[in-house]
Amino acid sequence: AQKVTQAQTEISVVEKEDVTLDCVYETRDTTYYLFWYKQPPSGELVFLIRRNSFDEQNEISGRYSWNFQKSTSSFNFTITASQVVDSAVYFCALQPTNDYKLSFGAGTTVTVRA
Amino acid sequence: DVKVTQSSRYLVKRTGEKVFLECVQDMDHENMFWYRQDPGLGLRLIYFSYDVKMKEKGDIPEGYSVSREKKERFSLILESASTNQTSMYLCASESGTANTGELFFGEGSRLTVL
Repeated sequence: AQKVTQAQTEISVVEKEDVTLDCVYETRDTTYYLFWYKQPPSGELVFLIRRNSFDEQNEISGRYSWNFQKSTSSFNFTITASQVVDSAVYFCALQPTNDYKLSFGAGTTVTVRA
Repeated sequence: DVKVTQSSRYLVKRTGEKVFLECVQDMDHENMFWYRQDPGLGLRLIYFSYDVKMKEKGDIPEGYSVSREKKERFSLILESASTNQTSMYLCASESGTANTGELFFGEGSRLTVL
């Protein structure tokens, strides 16, 4: 069975601050995918990124960056210079490569204040 | 613009009523999912369908059934609604061939059972 833990329930920052969301996972599978999804107030989850377990390169996309460390089973997400539009619930998820099921974390609510 | 559409954003039902939640996608995706979202629990998979008339149970199928008569439509049925089924229900679809792992979500249906 898989388990994804997002220890931070809520984070509140002021605009332009950086914010890092933690994600720790447990799995017995040797190959898997890790995901981040964003759920804005409208409710529709939006895919942000998928990483393969054998690819530990960090990734940057605009103000978003992801740090994958297999040694600590962590896949952390950083928003640099946060904006009000970043306010959302963010979910981390894990999927074994031979399975259709994603296991989601409980989510972290990010509030960015102007 | 690709879309997953859920028929009702908000529903209020009484205990014992039969409830239908409809989901339609316009992307010709093979895979469709029903998730339930509860605070502190993240998203939990109720049912999955990988083809017309095909379905598999997810992590919490008890009290639910599904129907997939056409590729674009995946319905979630609560035969006899109970108060513990008050929740946000999210439908998602995924290409069975593209192998991107990206789920496309609807905006959710918030069900209250009185």
